[in-house]
Amino acid sequence: GQQLNQSPQSMFIQEGEDVSMNCTSSSIFNTWLWYKQDPGEGPVLLIALYKAGELTSNGRLTAQFGITRKDSFLNISASIPSDVGIYFCAGPNPETSGSRLTFGEGTQLTVNP
Amino acid sequence: NAGVTQTPKFQVLKTGQSMTLQCAQDMNHEYMSWYRQDPGMGLRLIHYSVGAGITDQGEVPNGYNVSRSTTEDFPLRLLSAAPSQTSVYFCASSRPAPGTQYFGPGTRLLVL
Repeated sequence: GQQLNQSPQSMFIQEGEDVSMNCTSSSIFNTWLWYKQDPGEGPVLLIALYKAGELTSNGRLTAQFGITRKDSFLNISASIPSDVGIYFCAGPNPETSGSRLTFGEGTQLTVNP
Repeated sequence: NAGVTQTPKFQVLKTGQSMTLQCAQDMNHEYMSWYRQDPGMGLRLIHYSVGAGITDQGEVPNGYNVSRSTTEDFPLRLLSAAPSQTSVYFCASSRPAPGTQYFGPGTRLLVL
């Protein structure tokens, strides 16, 4: 079935550094979503992207919808300890007419103070 | 609004036991879904519902049943628990499109 490939799988950074992660697909997606999961909690939506080439920010977070529609990127600037968590990309699965969300495997982010 | 609520938060079962994980939302969302989360595997869809009385299978439906008698509630039933069902289970809801889903806090299940 449809898979979303996220990289890197994990990141260990120092507080204040910038972070970049990406998500790729073998199929075209019409919507890209980025979620964050804090330890012991459910995922929370950070940013939603609906148009190819779209660049959207939410505070220190910026996400882009790739122009090929097969990838998306998330950047975090000036990381802080509370950025720790798992970041997931997701999108309505085109193989099921968008009735299901497909999630990537996640990027585990650790921020050292 | 309480959002999406799940009970119980933790559960330990013996192999072969059955149980129901409860999920409720108070946002009048039509779309509800159940996921399981295992280390290194992200979130995998078990079952979903696009409205009361309508359910469908996701990626990993075997061993689970669901029903949707009301808009608010979407319980997940484990028919005969197996150790492979040890996982964290999340319920989520959204407006008709499955995109911007709101997740519950999760149920951590251990099957011995």
